[in-house]
Amino acid sequence: KQEVTQIPAALSVPEGENLVLNCSFTDSAIYNLQWFRQDPGKGLTSLLLIQSSQREQTSGRLNASLDKSSGRSTLYIAASQPGDSATYLCAVREEGTGGFKTIFGAGTRLFVKA
Amino acid sequence: EPEVTQTPSHQVTQMGQEVILRCVPISNHLYFYWYRQILGQKVEFLVSFYNNEISEKSEIFDDQFSVERPDGSNFTLKIRSTKLEDSAMYFCASSDQGALNPEAFFGQGTRLTVV
Repeated sequence: KQEVTQIPAALSVPEGENLVLNCSFTDSAIYNLQWFRQDPGKGLTSLLLIQSSQREQTSGRLNASLDKSSGRSTLYIAASQPGDSATYLCAVREEGTGGFKTIFGAGTRLFVKA
Repeated sequence: EPEVTQTPSHQVTQMGQEVILRCVPISNHLYFYWYRQILGQKVEFLVSFYNNEISEKSEIFDDQFSVERPDGSNFTLKIRSTKLEDSAMYFCASSDQGALNPEAFFGQGTRLTVV
């Protein structure tokens, strides 16, 4: 059964720091991996999606990498800002008995101090 | 850009009442999903739906839950007799599930509060 783990569970950094969020998954037979942002009490905002054949994706100050064989992904945030404060979720898409489904990690709660 | 829309954004209901959560998937998608996130916990898979039937369901999706595609655009989740522990954010998702790009697109969620 696929398990997605995110480390650390929470992170507090001063504004301007570069930081790395980690995600690991137990079954490497995934189709893609996606990073989401979730603000408190709100929905899911897709940040980056990496297909299984890709190694990384970039969007602005965000860079996500994928090492499928080792079951790891990282989300790099450059020059963090207080507006980056949110929970970041890692999710993998895999094929189950009834088609595809998405398995989520528990998230990393990020707080960027001004 | 096409998006999945969910209504209402927040629903409050009394324990024991029936609720229907509504979703409009992206128009050319054929695969539909519901996920649940209890406050402070992981987003969990509930059910997937294709060709007017359930493809897969989790152990959470018991007899009090049902899904339906009543017309060509809506996809609904019904909870027959709500319990306090059904309070959660419910996310709908859809995908076209082409083999090259099985990306799911998520709605912004319906927050269900059972009192």
